Amino acid sequence: NAGVTQTPKFQVLKTGQSMTLQCAQDMNHEYMSWYRQDPGMGLRLIHYSVGAGITDQGEVPNGYNVSRSTTEDFPLRLLSAAPSQTSVYFCASSYGETSGYGYTFGSGTRLTVV
Amino acid sequence: DQQVKQNSPSLSVQEGRISILNCDYTNSMFDYFLWYKKYPAEGPTFLISISSIKDKNEDGRFTVFLNKSAKHLSLHIVPSQPGDSAVYFCAASVGGGADGLTFGKGTHLIIQP
Repeated sequence: NAGVTQTPKFQVLKTGQSMTLQCAQDMNHEYMSWYRQDPGMGLRLIHYSVGAGITDQGEVPNGYNVSRSTTEDFPLRLLSAAPSQTSVYFCASSYGETSGYGYTFGSGTRLTVV
Repeated sequence: DQQVKQNSPSLSVQEGRISILNCDYTNSMFDYFLWYKKYPAEGPTFLISISSIKDKNEDGRFTVFLNKSAKHLSLHIVPSQPGDSAVYFCAASVGGGADGLTFGKGTHLIIQP
């Protein structure tokens, strides 16, 4: 049981490049979400999904796209990377009520945009 | 406008004593509150949660107290151990977490030997 797997762990991008951060979970969780963490800040919600085919925007969605074609996968796409997107990105998933609403987090992707 | 606030960036506690981490919130629609622990270079780990219809939840050394009238919650760790040194995040959700979580900025807990 791997939990929530994020790839890659580290990435350096040039301004204007695009890329996809991968997130996969093997716990059959319905809820999934993406967060970014910046120095001195808590985690901020980018996008979330309550099930396959359903996604919605969080607090800081600009510059990011998501899709949820399967229960297991929830990739985050950076359309045209900007230095302001330098951050640590976390993906998370949850059963909802049966898990006390606790989300299980991946180990993160550290992204640097130069 | 920060909806979840942790006003103490850091807290130092002696090993064996009680650690009390505080959190305030402004959104009355929050119906679930959670605490996460985070070590450097790792993802947050879920510790304990509490529904807005309760005022206390206990799990081993961890107890969370909720004061709805004051919009305040706290996490008590008794006794504090060296492995408890980490950053602790308070988080809240509306509708049981389906729409994701709103986090505070975190409190760095340091357990002194």
